[in-house]
Amino acid sequence: DAGVTQSPTHLIKTRGQQVTLRCSPKSGHDTVSWYQQALGQGPQFIFQYYEEEERQRGNFPDRFSGHQFPNYSSELNVNALLLGDSALYLCASSTVPGQGWEGYGSPLHFGNGTRLTVT
Amino acid sequence: ILNVEQSPQSLHVQEGDSTNFTCSFPSSNFYALHWYRWETAKSPEALFVMTLNGDEKKKGRISATLNTKEGYSYLYIKGSQPEDSATYLCAFGGATNKLIFGTGTLLAVQP
Repeated sequence: DAGVTQSPTHLIKTRGQQVTLRCSPKSGHDTVSWYQQALGQGPQFIFQYYEEEERQRGNFPDRFSGHQFPNYSSELNVNALLLGDSALYLCASSTVPGQGWEGYGSPLHFGNGTRLTVT
Repeated sequence: ILNVEQSPQSLHVQEGDSTNFTCSFPSSNFYALHWYRWETAKSPEALFVMTLNGDEKKKGRISATLNTKEGYSYLYIKGSQPEDSATYLCAFGGATNKLIFGTGTLLAVQP
């Protein structure tokens, strides 16, 4: 039973460039959430995808966008990279989207993350 | 701004010690409280999801309690082992429909 897989593991980009990170959810999961973890902070919610639509969004600018495919895999795109975008990006899958309390009753299953360094 | 705070920030204990740490969260509009264990070079792993005031959950030597009225949860580890070394994260689910994570407690267990 494959867990959540993310690619690439590490990435180095320069300011102004664009980046795409990829995530395949755990088998049987249909909801994907993305988190950013900067140094010394807890994971910060970016957005959540369910049924190929963005269902929830955190306090991140429009430079952060995403997509979910029919097979439930997801991409996170970041345009016009800033130094402050350097962080670990985590993907988490679940079976219930975060609409109300039902969404919180299911634990998240995380990938190992993508470490993005912007120079 | 909803705040989830964890204390202490880090903890060093000897093998065999029992330890506990705290997660504080808003006491209004509570839906669920999650605990995750995050070992170095691995992905965060769910320990508990608690939804009811007074909930107590146990998994081996690790247990957690929940007080939604005062907005705190305790995580206890009995007889710590080196393999318990990890960052322990809590996350609060409330009316914002987003799980809000604390910054974690880093536990180091010395053999």
